Amino acid sequence: DIVMTQSPDSLAVSLGERATINCKSSQSVLYSSNKKNYLAWYQQKPGQPPKLLISWASTRESGVPDRFSGSGSGTDFTLTISSLQAEDVAVYYCQQYYSMLHTFGQGTKLEIK
Amino acid sequence: EVQLVESGGGVVQPGGSLRLSCAASGFTFDDYAMYWVRQAPGKGLEWVSLISKDGSDTHYADSVKGRFTISRDNNKNSLYLQMNSLRSEDTAFFYCAKALRSGTLYSNFDFWGQGALVAVS
Repeated sequence: DIVMTQSPDSLAVSLGERATINCKSSQSVLYSSNKKNYLAWYQQKPGQPPKLLISWASTRESGVPDRFSGSGSGTDFTLTISSLQAEDVAVYYCQQYYSMLHTFGQGTKLEIK
Repeated sequence: EVQLVESGGGVVQPGGSLRLSCAASGFTFDDYAMYWVRQAPGKGLEWVSLISKDGSDTHYADSVKGRFTISRDNNKNSLYLQMNSLRSEDTAFFYCAKALRSGTLYSNFDFWGQGALVAVS
């Protein structure tokens, strides 16, 4: 199984500041034939199901604010929130869908400092 | 509007069985693989199982393999998870989720249900 490891486990950032969450996979999730990274990011707020933010490591989903961006390739990925807003308080998860068992990272809890 | 509605959760004793259902609407159900994901209270997400669009291909997390069975009825636009030999560590909210991309198992998820709570005690 591909193990996904996020860092940090929790993060406190001031409003308007940048938040950065990292995700590392135990093996590459870059598919050589199409040059796509099979990596997604989700946001989960309390009492709600997860919401898809980013697919293919860097493709923002429709309706997701452009302050959210994804980067990285192979085994190392980053979710960046360029200017933290109060509504961004949530737990963020990465997920690989390269292998049949679509494993998640353990989650990163983002709070306001 | 895509909707996924889980049902069938509840309290069950260790060793018991439960069957979850997920009623889907708002999209062409038999074009998409479907998934189950669980979340123990206060914990992270755990991918549980997937099923191909026609039901011919299924896969499971090691933690549930041999105990859980995923299935679907495309005539009823419904997804199921039969859970046997339940353990206390299976206590969780169970979400059904829809593949973003049609026709493939290798997809992330664009829609999720609200979840059904399974409590093994």
